[in-house]
Amino acid sequence: AQTVTQSQPEMSVQEAETVTLSCTYDTSESDYYLFWYKQPPSRQMILVIRQEAYKQQNATENRFSVNFQKAAKSFSLKISDSQLGDAAMYFCAYNTRSQGNLIFGKGTKLSVKP
Amino acid sequence: DSGVTQTPKHLITATGQRVTLRCSPRSGDLSVYWYQQSLDQGLQFLIQYYNGEERAKGNILERFSAQQFPDLHSELNLSSLELGDSALYFCASSSSGRGARETQYFGPGTRLLVL
Repeated sequence: AQTVTQSQPEMSVQEAETVTLSCTYDTSESDYYLFWYKQPPSRQMILVIRQEAYKQQNATENRFSVNFQKAAKSFSLKISDSQLGDAAMYFCAYNTRSQGNLIFGKGTKLSVKP
Repeated sequence: DSGVTQTPKHLITATGQRVTLRCSPRSGDLSVYWYQQSLDQGLQFLIQYYNGEERAKGNILERFSAQQFPDLHSELNLSSLELGDSALYFCASSSSGRGARETQYFGPGTRLLVL
């Protein structure tokens, strides 16, 4: 079965500190994309970062970076210099060459303390 | 702003009723996906349309149906509504959806409350 597991239902970080959100996934396909989406209280789903499975280099977008371990099927998100606006639910997801729809994890609720 | 629009933003209706949710994809995108977000089921894929044709089905109930029109906007029809259908319904679009592995951009969602 295709699944995504986010083992941390809730996380908390101090403003300006660094936090890492965990994600593992399970797919038998070799060609896929991985994503992190942010859902703030407005409920809008916002793309944070994406990673192509065939690329070994970890993706980076400003303060957001990933640690992609393909063999372990692990895809964690690191947020550096956390800001109050980073407080949100974060969803890990992937899709594959054969299946375009996204498979989502249950999410991690991130709180940022001032 | 993702460029994907959804209307209405909020919908309150009664059990047994029928509603239609509307989605307009980003300019140039051919593929539309519908997702349901509920507290107990999380984010679930319902159905995908590509250039007017149904491409894939997920956990969509028989009471639900969708279509994509020639101008590429899509509508999700929910009928014989039950309390458990209360959820946030998202539409997402991508450029083709044929080769998958594409980034999907989400609309703001329609919050449905069934009383």
